[in-house]
Amino acid sequence: EAQVTQNPRYLITVTGKKLTVTCSQNMNHEYMSWYRQDPGLGLRQIYYSMNVEVTDKGDVPEGYKVSRKEKRNFPLILESPSPNQTSLYFCASSSPRSDMGAGETQYFGPGTRLLVL
Amino acid sequence: QQQVKQSPQSLIVQKGGISIINCAYENTAFDYFPWYQQFPGKGPALLIAIRPDVSEKKEGRFTISFNKSAKQFSLHIMDSQPGDSATYFCAARGGTSYGKLTFGQGTILTVHP
Repeated sequence: EAQVTQNPRYLITVTGKKLTVTCSQNMNHEYMSWYRQDPGLGLRQIYYSMNVEVTDKGDVPEGYKVSRKEKRNFPLILESPSPNQTSLYFCASSSPRSDMGAGETQYFGPGTRLLVL
Repeated sequence: QQQVKQSPQSLIVQKGGISIINCAYENTAFDYFPWYQQFPGKGPALLIAIRPDVSEKKEGRFTISFNKSAKQFSLHIMDSQPGDSATYFCAARGGTSYGKLTFGQGTILTVHP
């Protein structure tokens, strides 16, 4: 089954304690991205990756890091989490070669709900 | 800066009615306009999408209307059903980076039986 998986699904942590949220896709997609979802703000892109070892900042990258050492994995790292990073996080992947008629589809993971105390 | 503005924030419709959600964008470099549907506890999933060279696209009960000159597009859900109750996001792709989606704020749709 084609899917994007994220772990953990739920996480409660304290300010300053480093954490990593993993993301993996089994569709051989080149493009991967992280979003955060906050009420009234929709989804905002944090970081994205065009391919292995190629990453760039999205709209809200402050306080986050990413790496893309393998095509299938794109972990999100919070080196020193703060309460304003409490949010719902989504990983997504897509491929420019997929043909959905109106452009490629981004496939989203199930989300990770993070609470930073 | 919100480049895609979506309205309304919430919408209540009776079963069988028409649900209409509107979006407006600013960046004329956007080249692909998808709508995503999100159920509670799930990630967003592509519902329907359109390119700017088309004024309307219909898939079943869902229709996108696109007005390039006004930089607006909308989602129409005909014969709305309780199972359509979800959060809907419009989005726009393109601009400064390939693949980047800029999302609207989202609309919580509730369809009463």
